[in-house]
Amino acid sequence: DTGVSQDPRHKITKRGQNVTFRCDPISEHNRLYWYRQTLGQGPEFLTYFQNEAQLEKSRLLSDRFSAERPKGSFSTLEIQRTEQGDSAMYLCASSLGTGALFPSPNYGYTFGSGTRLTVV
Amino acid sequence: AQTVTQSQPEMSVQEAETVTLSCTYDTSESDYYLFWYKQPPSRQMILVIRQEAYKQQNATENRFSVNFQKAAKSFSLKISDSQLGDAAMYFCAYRSGNSKLTFGKGITLSVRP
Repeated sequence: DTGVSQDPRHKITKRGQNVTFRCDPISEHNRLYWYRQTLGQGPEFLTYFQNEAQLEKSRLLSDRFSAERPKGSFSTLEIQRTEQGDSAMYLCASSLGTGALFPSPNYGYTFGSGTRLTVV
Repeated sequence: AQTVTQSQPEMSVQEAETVTLSCTYDTSESDYYLFWYKQPPSRQMILVIRQEAYKQQNATENRFSVNFQKAAKSFSLKISDSQLGDAAMYFCAYRSGNSKLTFGKGITLSVRP
């Protein structure tokens, strides 16, 4: 297993276009997270999945954003009608989560290298 | 809502010396986890060290150690014998149970040769 993979690494798009990013988590990880990171800031939570179920969505995730994880493996994040304010690094992370309050030994996440989106 | 504050935007340390990065957080929960992540330029974020709130003993990982003050809600990272490869952005993060990570704004650490 080569870790969390994100594709593409970079995306330049014109304002108003739709873009889709893909994340392939570590195969045995059942939880998958999307974060957005703007320049000089810490990552901000967007949404997360446990298997195929989307369990939480941030208020940052406007109606133009949609995320899916149809088979509980890879996930896609789509942004419709992109705006210049969408320019950011989009990070994916995965972890092994359980229903217990204190989760599996893998307390931290494994992050991907991110997709850098530039809207011009 | 939980918040994580890193008030120092930048720090610099001489190679081989020790540096401490500060972090404070706010939460009403009693069980949670705290993390320090390292993000080198244009590279992925990696976990440096973690601390479980129920543990009184401060976590240590080789040259990295934390000073966890639960009552003060403070969680600082000490890097001993700093190396050029330690130069990166460092993020303090909070997590309760199985939920999302909440990050601070980060601090840029530079290491002078």
